[in-house]
Amino acid sequence: GQQVMQIPQYQHVQEGEDFTTYCNSSTTLSNIQWYKQRPGGHPVFLIQLVKSGEVKKQKRLTFQFGEAKKNSSLHITATQTTDVGTYFCAGRPTGSGYALNFGKGTSLLVTP
Amino acid sequence: DTGVSQDPRHKITKRGQNVTFRCDPISEHNRLYWYRQTLGQGPEFLTYFQNEAQLEKSRLLSDRFSAERPKGSFSTLEIQRTEQGDSAMYLCASSVSGGPGLGPHNEQFFGPGTRLTVL
Repeated sequence: GQQVMQIPQYQHVQEGEDFTTYCNSSTTLSNIQWYKQRPGGHPVFLIQLVKSGEVKKQKRLTFQFGEAKKNSSLHITATQTTDVGTYFCAGRPTGSGYALNFGKGTSLLVTP
Repeated sequence: DTGVSQDPRHKITKRGQNVTFRCDPISEHNRLYWYRQTLGQGPEFLTYFQNEAQLEKSRLLSDRFSAERPKGSFSTLEIQRTEQGDSAMYLCASSVSGGPGLGPHNEQFFGPGTRLTVL
């Protein structure tokens, strides 16, 4: 079936280091969303990308949607301990209806 | 608090029992989603409502699962004859339809979830 794959599964960095998580879909996506889930919490929306090649920035976070609309990435510059959590990408395959397919997430641990 | 609320927050039940969960979306949101999340996994889509109409249901969803949104506001998710494999966090999310310039697919606001444990 249609799947969204996300790597790496875990990432442990020292505070101040950069972090990147990658998301790949087997099918073209109409859009992709990114969510953050803190330990014990629920997913919280970060951003939505719609256009091919789109790049959006939120302070230290940079989000990119691939030209083929099949992959995406989230890059965090100079991580802080507040960045700890699991980052999920969620894609909606083109023409598939309303279901949002979430990746398994990348769990980020930041040590001071 | 005007966020998405879910009740109960925790439910422990014995195998074979029926359980029902409730979700109250953000009041002006006409779209409502149910997801299931297990440890180490992302949320798995179960079903979607626009107002009171159930427009999509996961093909993976057993017929033991049923959801309703009778008045287009709160929703219930019922699991009949629970199995140990049903143990998970059940998340509800809501969103508003895209308006001009917003596109059809907007951010989803998640509730705190109902953690189900089937013994």
